[in-house]
Amino acid sequence: DAGVIQSPRHEVTEMGQEVTLRCKPISGHNSLFWYRQTMMRGLELLIYFNNNVPIDDSGMPEDRFSAKMPNASFSTLKIQPSEPRDSAVYFCASSRESNQPQHFGDGTRLSIL
Amino acid sequence: RKEVEQDPGPFNVPEGATVAFNCTYSNSASQSFFWYRQDCRKEPKLLMSVYSSGNEDGRFTAQLNRASQYISLLIRDSKLSDSATYLCVAYNNNDMRFGAGTRLTVKP
Repeated sequence: DAGVIQSPRHEVTEMGQEVTLRCKPISGHNSLFWYRQTMMRGLELLIYFNNNVPIDDSGMPEDRFSAKMPNASFSTLKIQPSEPRDSAVYFCASSRESNQPQHFGDGTRLSIL
Repeated sequence: RKEVEQDPGPFNVPEGATVAFNCTYSNSASQSFFWYRQDCRKEPKLLMSVYSSGNEDGRFTAQLNRASQYISLLIRDSKLSDSATYLCVAYNNNDMRFGAGTRLTVKP
């Protein structure tokens, strides 16, 4: 079975540019999560969706970050404009229900210069 | 205070040793608990769920103490391949909280 698929695997871009990260959850999973991981702050939950509806976006750092889930098989996390402090590994995860174990994608390693 | 706290380590142990990690959670209403393993530059992967009665999976034993609000992970007969960061997770009402992780290095 295919796991959670994220793209791109790596992104390097200049500050001020728009960055779009993509995620395809595991088929049949109703919950989707976006995380950011850095050495300093560890793994932080940014936002999560249940049945394509955003449930909790309190972890989204600021208005420059936005996330959408137009259907059950696709989600995006967008940063506009990007800043060097956004550099991190961004993980997408999905689970059958929100209280079930999450399966993580390989992550997107983002570097903002 | 963080919702889920772990000793960051590192724990450096010889092969064959038994090592235990504790993790405390602040939300007494937390309902589900998990241990994840994360290798360097990889994604977190589920190691095991933690049940109220405690559970065992091979060399790994997880326990939950609701009164003291902590969960533990015991690794027996540690292998070199157990070297990783171990993350504990507490879930409550649509809120999944990860600890910062405990780093383990098993040495020959």
